Amino acid sequence: QKEVEQNSGPLSVPEGAIASLNCTYSDRGSQSFFWYRQYSGKSPELIMFIYSNGDKEDGRFTAQLNKASQYVSLLIRDSQPSDSATYLCAVNMYSNYQLIWGAGTKLIIKP
Amino acid sequence: EAQVTQNPRYLITVTGKKLTVTCSQNMNHEYMSWYRQDPGLGLRQIYYSMNVEVTDKGDVPEGYKVSRKEKRNFPLILESPSPNQTSLYFCASSLRTGDSPLHFGNGTRLTVT
Repeated sequence: QKEVEQNSGPLSVPEGAIASLNCTYSDRGSQSFFWYRQYSGKSPELIMFIYSNGDKEDGRFTAQLNKASQYVSLLIRDSQPSDSATYLCAVNMYSNYQLIWGAGTKLIIKP
Repeated sequence: EAQVTQNPRYLITVTGKKLTVTCSQNMNHEYMSWYRQDPGLGLRQIYYSMNVEVTDKGDVPEGYKVSRKEKRNFPLILESPSPNQTSLYFCASSLRTGDSPLHFGNGTRLTVT
């Protein structure tokens, strides 16, 4: 079982709709969770981070964390074509404090 | 401007010719790390450093060396590059280990022929 799992996609969403990206993790002791966006050939850029159970909102982005079920999700409201990218989930492992990365979900926003 | 600077952005070299990819950050971050990214394999950690003079192997350290003699710099050294090290490399830094977001450099695309 991979330590951090994401659906590779592609996930196709109409412009203006809500895109929902999911990530599950195996380490129950994990405390820090990050979502990065990566355009092809570019470096990952931080979208959001979340440490506590529940929702965290920043503009059109909402991160949701459920530690009991070991998943973290990212919602993108009013999706724009510029949101088309690969979204990477990263989870801090309690055992050695290193970040473990998911393989990423490719998101395509269709005009 | 707070940033992580990698050089060079593109590098084409031949098998066996030693090379160094430089990485520098101006944010006084304790933690620095090198990743490689290959299609279908995601980001894989090569080496990391939790502070000056402290370095540790990541998931794919074979064929690479690093040093952390000063806080701001974390060069990646390929003593004898091979074609299987052709990849996109990223340097990243964060304030602390684990709970701080990583800031990435712009990447170095390396081709070894």
